Amino acid sequence: DQQVKQNSPSLSVQEGRISILNCDYTNSMFDYFLWYKKYPAEGPTFLISISSIKDKNEDGRFTVFLNKSAKHLSLHIVPSQPGDSAVYFCAASPLSNFGNEKLTFGTGTRLTIIP
Amino acid sequence: DGGITQSPKYLFRKEGQNVTLSCEQNLNHDAMYWYRQDPGQGLRLIYYSQIVNDFQKGDIAEGYSVSREKKESFPLTVTSAQKNPTAFYLCASSIRGRGTEAFFGQGTRLTVV
Repeated sequence: DQQVKQNSPSLSVQEGRISILNCDYTNSMFDYFLWYKKYPAEGPTFLISISSIKDKNEDGRFTVFLNKSAKHLSLHIVPSQPGDSAVYFCAASPLSNFGNEKLTFGTGTRLTIIP
Repeated sequence: DGGITQSPKYLFRKEGQNVTLSCEQNLNHDAMYWYRQDPGQGLRLIYYSQIVNDFQKGDIAEGYSVSREKKESFPLTVTSAQKNPTAFYLCASSIRGRGTEAFFGQGTRLTVV
């Protein structure tokens, strides 16, 4: 049962344009969401997060949007740069379950930025 | 520099042998995690530990074992009972009580032949 879904395995975007990566979740207990970026043969690195009390969080070129009613979040990267080419993982956690928090990851979206 | 270190980066073992993957962190984090990555499957949680001498099974614990004798170390043993051990293994750590913003190691690619 995939509780966090990234339905697009891959995405190609022209350099300078906006990249939009999508993520859906099914578990209504999730209330903290994160995006990680991963290069081949390396560990994921944390990119940006959002809690359920917000609907938007921005950090430089990266913005995450959360639509709780639709159980959907998206990551916007603008402008896209060649160094953004990587696999992006969406992850979710129940913030309120102290002591038993663990991240549930999606299957990832491979983003390719075309120069 | 603080960080989380996994070793070795590549590991080859014969089928039927147990193998132990190392994970060390100097971030003073209480919580540590082991994930497995397979193509098209995302990261799946194997085991996690919120405190020394305590650990819990994740979603795919069968065929694996762990220990947490020291705060800094969380080794993972892939036993011969694991039916499909070839994978990329990732260790992570975080502040206890927040399984969020986990910091990951560089990973170990295990190949069983």
